[in-house]
Amino acid sequence: GENVEQHPSTLSVQEGDSAVIKCTYSDSASNYFPWYKQELGKGPQLIIDIRSNVGEKKDQRIAVTLNKTAKHFSLHITETQPEDSAVYFCAASSRYTGFQKLVFGTGTRLLVSP
Amino acid sequence: GAVVSQHPSWVICKSGTSVKIECRSLDFQATTMFWYRQFPKQSLMLMATSNEGSKATYEQGVEKDKFLINHASLTLSTLTVTSAHPEDSSFYICSARDPTWDNQPQHFGDGTRLSIL
Repeated sequence: GENVEQHPSTLSVQEGDSAVIKCTYSDSASNYFPWYKQELGKGPQLIIDIRSNVGEKKDQRIAVTLNKTAKHFSLHITETQPEDSAVYFCAASSRYTGFQKLVFGTGTRLLVSP
Repeated sequence: GAVVSQHPSWVICKSGTSVKIECRSLDFQATTMFWYRQFPKQSLMLMATSNEGSKATYEQGVEKDKFLINHASLTLSTLTVTSAHPEDSSFYICSARDPTWDNQPQHFGDGTRLSIL
């Protein structure tokens, strides 16, 4: 089955700096990769996703890149703000499960200091 | 946008009690919903896939008789933790996806924090 690894486990940056979180996956059949932000005591919230027919996707300060050959994808947050502080999870899914069953990474705790 | 509502948000009860958690899709019909469990500072672990009108599919190691799932309508799935004990204390989260369109993402509820005394 699919295995998703995520690094780093914690990341501290100064406000205004960029933050990068990286994930690798094992199943070459995976072709949908969402990123979720989870704030304390809440459920995960989708922030951006990418499909395997695209190498990069951007939404304002957030971007995701995908390297299918190397089986890794990354989340980039530019001009970080204190409200970006949260736990971020990457995930992978396969068309064989109808893009439904998600396998999550271990999470990255991002702390943005003012 | 798509919204998934989960209720209650917090439950504290005595050992031996059965607890029911509801998950609703508010603006779409979800033929499939998912139940996750999350321990403090850990990732989400899929417990089971809830299928409308049929039996749930449980992940390996999850006790079917302990975690009863019912998906009686296209907008509601329930998870019942039967005869709960302190080790069942955890954060339970459901998710659903609008199946109408191929590219719809999965949306999560805000979770239920279950504390068993």
